Amino acid sequence: SAVISQKPSRDICQRGTSLTIQCQVDSQVTMMFWYRQQPGQSLTLIATANQGSEATYESGFVIDKFPISRPNLTFSTLTVSNMSPEDSSIYLCSVGQGISYEQYFGPGTRLTVT
Amino acid sequence: AQTVTQSQPEMSVQEAETVTLSCTYDTSESDYYLFWYKQPPSRQMILVIRQEAYKQQNATENRFSVNFQKAAKSFSLKISDSQLGDAAMYFCAYGGQETSGSRLTFGEGTQLTVNP
Repeated sequence: SAVISQKPSRDICQRGTSLTIQCQVDSQVTMMFWYRQQPGQSLTLIATANQGSEATYESGFVIDKFPISRPNLTFSTLTVSNMSPEDSSIYLCSVGQGISYEQYFGPGTRLTVT
Repeated sequence: AQTVTQSQPEMSVQEAETVTLSCTYDTSESDYYLFWYKQPPSRQMILVIRQEAYKQQNATENRFSVNFQKAAKSFSLKISDSQLGDAAMYFCAYGGQETSGSRLTFGEGTQLTVNP
């Protein structure tokens, strides 16, 4: 399985600001995903990060709020823009090769918006 | 659309005992994948076990095993000889052709407490 790191591990931000979360993988992967997990809840997929093209967003998530970049097969960023307290969550990136649907997750970023 | 249901929000088990976590899913596909993930308080999602629907044999990984009932669309996780480190949130997940883009559908999770 791939080794995945995320930066930052946690942050406290003021409303109205933006935070960029980085996801780095130690090997090339086909698929990269971004999830949000609100306290005590399951994972909600935000988008699939596509290398060299625009991300594919799930219903309820828009590019203006959650811009995503994926410049190569080992790295992606998720920006949470114009934050509000409702954006306080854990943000997780995951990777997969697509064939078996198996995904491996990064350690997550705990975001608190005040 | 696929749905994954975990009907037990919370479970508890005594250390060294066995516990079974339930998961049911809804799909019209015949070929798909099922997973159990563990999320301890550290929040790291860890893949515990994987089952391929075309395989009749139940998957096992050390103390973790599954009871895969394809006709009943049931996929339970059995943890034997429970240890304190097994305490975590457990998520059941489904992946199949109907879920385009290789996405996974997750259940709501079961919080497992292990009592010493």
